[in-house]
Amino acid sequence: KQEVTQIPAALSVPEGENLVLNCSFTDSAIYNLQWFRQDPGKGLTSLLLIQSSQREQTSGRLNASLDKSSGRSTLYIAASQPGDSATYLCAVNDGTDKLIFGTGTRLQVFP
Amino acid sequence: GAVVSQHPSRVICKSGTSVKIECRSLDFQATTMFWYRQFPKQSLMLMATSNEGSKATYEQGVEKDKFLINHASLTLSTLTVTSAHPEDSSFYICSASGGGAGRTEAFFGQGTRLTVV
Repeated sequence: KQEVTQIPAALSVPEGENLVLNCSFTDSAIYNLQWFRQDPGKGLTSLLLIQSSQREQTSGRLNASLDKSSGRSTLYIAASQPGDSATYLCAVNDGTDKLIFGTGTRLQVFP
Repeated sequence: GAVVSQHPSRVICKSGTSVKIECRSLDFQATTMFWYRQFPKQSLMLMATSNEGSKATYEQGVEKDKFLINHASLTLSTLTVTSAHPEDSSFYICSASGGGAGRTEAFFGQGTRLTVV
């Protein structure tokens, strides 16, 4: 059974720092991995989608990498801003389009 | 990205009544939609897979008679919480997926905060 874990569970940093959020999964047989952002009481916003054949994806200050064989993905946030404060979730697609979510990282960036 | 609209965003109902939540894919056809439930400060838990024109597939432990799912068209899936009780209070989120399996990006609705009093 696929299990997805995210470390750290919570993170509080000053504005301007570069951040790394980690996601690990136990079964490497995935079709893709997606990173989401969730603001309190809101739905999920898709940030980056990495197909199983890809190693990384970039969007603005965000960069996500995927090492399928070792069961890991990282989300890199450059020059963090207070507006980046949210919960970040990674999720793996098992090939049926079902998403198995990680436990999430609650990020707070203070001015 | 594609747009998924979920309605209502917030609902308060009395214990014993039923509540319907709608999930619409606005700019693409979704052959499959998913319903998730999220408890405070926890991650999303998949409840069921909704397939257009066929019965939904429920995850283990989810009561299909309590959480009725209908996916009558390629753009609309509904979740009805029947005979709601306070323990059904939660945040419900839908997602839509279209195209071939395994290669699509999931798009989520805004979520529905259900409070049963």
